[in-house]
Amino acid sequence: NAGVTQTPKFRILKIGQSMTLQCTQDMNHNYMYWYRQDPGMGLKLIYYSVGAGITDKGEVPNGYNVSRSTTEDFPLRLELAAPSQTSVYFCASRGFSGGDTQYFGPGTRLTVL
Amino acid sequence: AQSVTQLDSQVPVFEEAPVELRCNYSSSVSVYLFWYVQYPNQGLQLLLKYLSGSTLVKGINGFEAEFNKSQTSFHLRKPSVHISDTAEYFCAVSAPQRDDKIIFGKGTRLHILP
Repeated sequence: NAGVTQTPKFRILKIGQSMTLQCTQDMNHNYMYWYRQDPGMGLKLIYYSVGAGITDKGEVPNGYNVSRSTTEDFPLRLELAAPSQTSVYFCASRGFSGGDTQYFGPGTRLTVL
Repeated sequence: AQSVTQLDSQVPVFEEAPVELRCNYSSSVSVYLFWYVQYPNQGLQLLLKYLSGSTLVKGINGFEAEFNKSQTSFHLRKPSVHISDTAEYFCAVSAPQRDDKIIFGKGTRLHILP
C-alpha cells in the first residue's frame, strides 16, 4: 500500500492564480481531511469528508474548496491564491471508527508570491 | 466545540533525561485523545491514543501518556530521551459523539541537548 499520497510536493503561485492540490489514499478509508500547517500554529483543519459526495467545513475553510467524487481522492482547490495561503498542506485519512488512526501524506509546500 | 492546548511551544532536555510534554483539552462530551510526532520535513505519524479503558497508554518508541479526566489532561512522557526523539509533537482531540473533526494543538518542539 502507498498509503496517502499528495502531489505536488512543492509549488510557487502568483497572487490570483488557481491550483488544485491532489490527495489519494489506497486504504479504502471513508474519512479524509485537509490541514494546513503554519509555524507555531500547529495544524488547522480546512475541510473534511466522511465519504464520497459528503464534505464539511473545518476551522479555516475560507479561500478553499473541496470535492469528493470517489473514496480514493480528495482534491483541495485554491481559486484565487493569496499570500496568506502560503503554508504546508497535509492530507490525511482514517477508517470508519472515530478512534482509528489518521494516516498523513508527506505534505505540499505552497508559496504564494 | 472541542479544543486542545499544548502548554509548551519548546522543551529542551538533555539526552537520557526524562521528559513530559503537556496537553490539556476541553470538551463537553467524551473524547478520544491522540499524540502524533512529526520528524523534520515529514508528515505526522501516530505515537499513541486513548479511546477508553486504562488511563495509562503506551505507544511506540518508549513513549506513554496518562489520561486524567478530572484535570482534562493527556500528558506525554518518556523516561529517557534519545537524540532521535528530536521532533515536533502534537496532541489532538476528537469528540465522535459530536462530529468527525480531529483538532490539533499548536505543537511542542522537543530539543535534545547532548
